[in-house]
Amino acid sequence: NAGVTQTPKFQVLKTGQSMTLQCAQDMNHNSMYWYRQDPGMGLRLIYYSASEGTTDKGEVPNGYNVSRLNKREFSLRLESAAPSQTSVYFCASSGGYGSYEQYFGPGTRLTVT
Amino acid sequence: DQQVKQNSPSLSVQEGRISILNCDYTNSMFDYFLWYKKYPAEGPTFLISISSIKDKNEDGRFTVFLNKSAKHLSLHIVPSQPGDSAVYFCAARGNSGGSNYKLTFGKGTLLTVNP
Repeated sequence: NAGVTQTPKFQVLKTGQSMTLQCAQDMNHNSMYWYRQDPGMGLRLIYYSASEGTTDKGEVPNGYNVSRLNKREFSLRLESAAPSQTSVYFCASSGGYGSYEQYFGPGTRLTVT
Repeated sequence: DQQVKQNSPSLSVQEGRISILNCDYTNSMFDYFLWYKKYPAEGPTFLISISSIKDKNEDGRFTVFLNKSAKHLSLHIVPSQPGDSAVYFCAARGNSGGSNYKLTFGKGTLLTVNP
């Protein structure tokens, strides 16, 4: 039981490049989330998927797109990376309605130069 | 508008003493509160939670207190251990419509427990 896994762990991009961050969970959770963490800013929600087949914007969605590929997988795509997207990205999952604890992956450290 | 506030960026305590981490919230629709612990280069891990129908929840050395009238919660760690040194995030869940699944996080408090 690996919990929530994220790939890659580290990534360096040049401005304008694109990439996809992958996330998978093996806990049969319904809901999945993408956050970014910046110094002094806490955790800010980018997008979330309450259940398979649905996605919704969070607090800071601009510049990102997501895909809920199936119940296990939720990917985050940066179409044209900008230096302001330099951050640590966390994926999380939760059981859904009635189960509020979210379980986080180890994070992806992204640098955009 | 910051709905969950952790006004102390850092806290330093001696091993064996009590650590008290504070959190204030502004949204009266929040009905479930959680604390997470985060070590460097790792993801946050769930620590303890409390429903708004309770005023206290205890799990081993960790106790969370909720004061709804003051919109304030606190996490007590007794006794504090050096391994408790980490960033602690307070989070809250809203109970209206599409926000059922979302948590709002504070900015975190760095706890340092000195041997």
